[in-house]
Amino acid sequence: DAEITQSPRHKITETGRQVTLACHQTWNHNNMFWYRQDLGHGLRLIHYSYGVHDTNKGEVSDGYSVSRSNTEDLPLTLESAASSQTSVYFCASSEGHLQETQYFGPGTRLLVL
Amino acid sequence: AQRVTQPEKLLSVFKGAPVELKCNYSYSGSPELFWYVQYSRQRLQLLLRHISRESIKGFTADLNKGETSFHLKKPFAQEEDSAMYYCALTLRIQGAQKLVFGQGTRLTINP
Repeated sequence: DAEITQSPRHKITETGRQVTLACHQTWNHNNMFWYRQDLGHGLRLIHYSYGVHDTNKGEVSDGYSVSRSNTEDLPLTLESAASSQTSVYFCASSEGHLQETQYFGPGTRLLVL
Repeated sequence: AQRVTQPEKLLSVFKGAPVELKCNYSYSGSPELFWYVQYSRQRLQLLLRHISRESIKGFTADLNKGETSFHLKKPFAQEEDSAMYYCALTLRIQGAQKLVFGQGTRLTINP
């Protein structure tokens, strides 16, 4: 069955380290998204992509980067992890049409010490 | 600016009672709205979308453009409805979709 996966599911790192969170989908969806989920803020969009080699900044993109070298993957990199980036990160994908459902991954819980 | 507001962070009702989760939006265009739900230890998933005018798990939501609202309602709450609920607004960017989420409401159904 097609699905969307994230790895790792849990990660502890130290401030200043570079961290990469993986997201992989097998639906062949054009659109992929990264969100962070924080109490009191809901889900906020970090970066998104509408296709291979396309990347766009979301509302909270500072300190994060993404690249889209193929349809299936959109890795999220924290260039220099900060304690403020402790959060739960969700990846999502959609086919690319309006009113399309976004399908979410299981999430990655990141703790930056 | 486009914004989605869910005024209640927490909502607690008894089993069998009616439940209403509020959602208000700010958008200059024609809105397309969704409700997403996250049950405990599960991933976020679509509950319903306004354009479908459907009822899912007994929940309905009506778009009220005059009040810029998209409240989620269920006449008789069940314990399995306990979850985190997010209202979301679609933005059209380059012909494709981007979602703006509200802050979420944690619904607890008491036995």
